[in-house]
Amino acid sequence: DAGVIQSPRHEVTEMGQEVTLRCKPISGHNSLFWYRQTMMRGLELLIYFNNNVPIDDSGMPEDRFSAKMPNASFSTLKIQPSEPRDSAVYFCASSREPSLHEQYFGPGTRLTVT
Amino acid sequence: GEDVEQSLFLSVREGDSSVINCTYTDSSSTYLYWYKQEPGAGLQLLTYIFSNMDMKQDQRLTVLLNKKDKHLSLRIADTQTGDSAIYFCAERRGGGADGLTFGKGTHLIIQP
Repeated sequence: DAGVIQSPRHEVTEMGQEVTLRCKPISGHNSLFWYRQTMMRGLELLIYFNNNVPIDDSGMPEDRFSAKMPNASFSTLKIQPSEPRDSAVYFCASSREPSLHEQYFGPGTRLTVT
Repeated sequence: GEDVEQSLFLSVREGDSSVINCTYTDSSSTYLYWYKQEPGAGLQLLTYIFSNMDMKQDQRLTVLLNKKDKHLSLRIADTQTGDSAIYFCAERRGGGADGLTFGKGTHLIIQP
């Protein structure tokens, strides 16, 4: 299995621009998670989906952030408009609930907003 | 305070055992995990323990759980230079909350 796939691996953009991060979960997994990692706050859960339905988005910082999962093999995290404080590494993870609870992480997208 | 707490750094000599400690606050946590992150890489799941267990061993790794004190530890036997990384403790809470809550991570530094 290829594991969780994220794209792009690196993104540099200017403040005010729209950013879209993409994730392909492991085939057969039914839960997908978006996390953000910064030096100051560590790893934080932003949102997660179960069977393509958003379950908990309480970690999404503000309305500039949105996430979708149109099908079982694809999810996006969009930031519009982006701000310098959004600079972080964004990780996607997937699991197969409830039988296999372990979350497997993708390589992350390093976002820099200038 | 932090929900999951870890020391920021641990320095050990190559060949010695490393013990990384973690405390958590939610008594309803169902699973506790240890992840490893190497520089510039994603998080690699090392091991996990179910909350009704007190010990789990997997090759060089030993996880100890003291549920009364909400204390979790990861012991790495015969520490090697390849073990140099950041180690994250994470809890999965009960009540249907499936997202993980992570500690800030412990940087394991190996001295020759």
